[in-house]
Amino acid sequence: AQKITQTQPGMFVQEKEAVTLDCTYDTSDQSYGLFWYKQPSSGEMIFLIYQGSYDEQNATEGRYSLNFQKARKSANLVISASQLGDSAMYFCATFAGTYKYIFGTGTRLKVLA
Amino acid sequence: GAGVSQSPSNKVTEKGKDVELRCDPISGHTALYWYRQRLGQGLEFLIYFQGNSAPDKSGLPSDRFSAERTGESVSTLTIQRTQQEDSAVYLCASSSHMEGQTQYFGPGTRLLVL
Repeated sequence: AQKITQTQPGMFVQEKEAVTLDCTYDTSDQSYGLFWYKQPSSGEMIFLIYQGSYDEQNATEGRYSLNFQKARKSANLVISASQLGDSAMYFCATFAGTYKYIFGTGTRLKVLA
Repeated sequence: GAGVSQSPSNKVTEKGKDVELRCDPISGHTALYWYRQRLGQGLEFLIYFQGNSAPDKSGLPSDRFSAERTGESVSTLTIQRTQQEDSAVYLCASSSHMEGQTQYFGPGTRLLVL
């Protein structure tokens, strides 16, 4: 069965610095996708970035990039030039050819002024 | 509409009452999902719709929970005889195979059972 592990319950980063949020996954499927979502205190889930298992390049979306290391089964999110508005919960998720998405337990990021 | 919408945004009810939560997915999205998120917790999968059929209802916590969907449109999640443990945010998401199965979430319904 698929599993997502986020080992950092909380992280702090100084404004304008870069931060890496860890995510490891476990799947036996050959084809799968990895997602990162942001959940601010308002509660909405905001899609940030997607990586397909066959994508050779790491996904990037503005200040977000996904450091995909297939052999290590890791899909870490890198946020560059952190902003105060980046303070939120961040969830890593996967699906693997089925409909059932699996979410990690999340990492709470706090950006310090 | 432009995004997934849910109603009501907040619901306070008394223990034992029934509640109905509504989700309007993004137009054209064939897949629809319901999740539950308790305070400070991750997302708990409840049910998935492909069109108006629900191939997997195993995530529903008890037989007090049910859901239906009309075509590829609105879905309702019904909780009968609510219990205090049902208090949570109920999130709906929709996705399209054409968009790589990325799920787009609604703002959620915050349910408080007194």
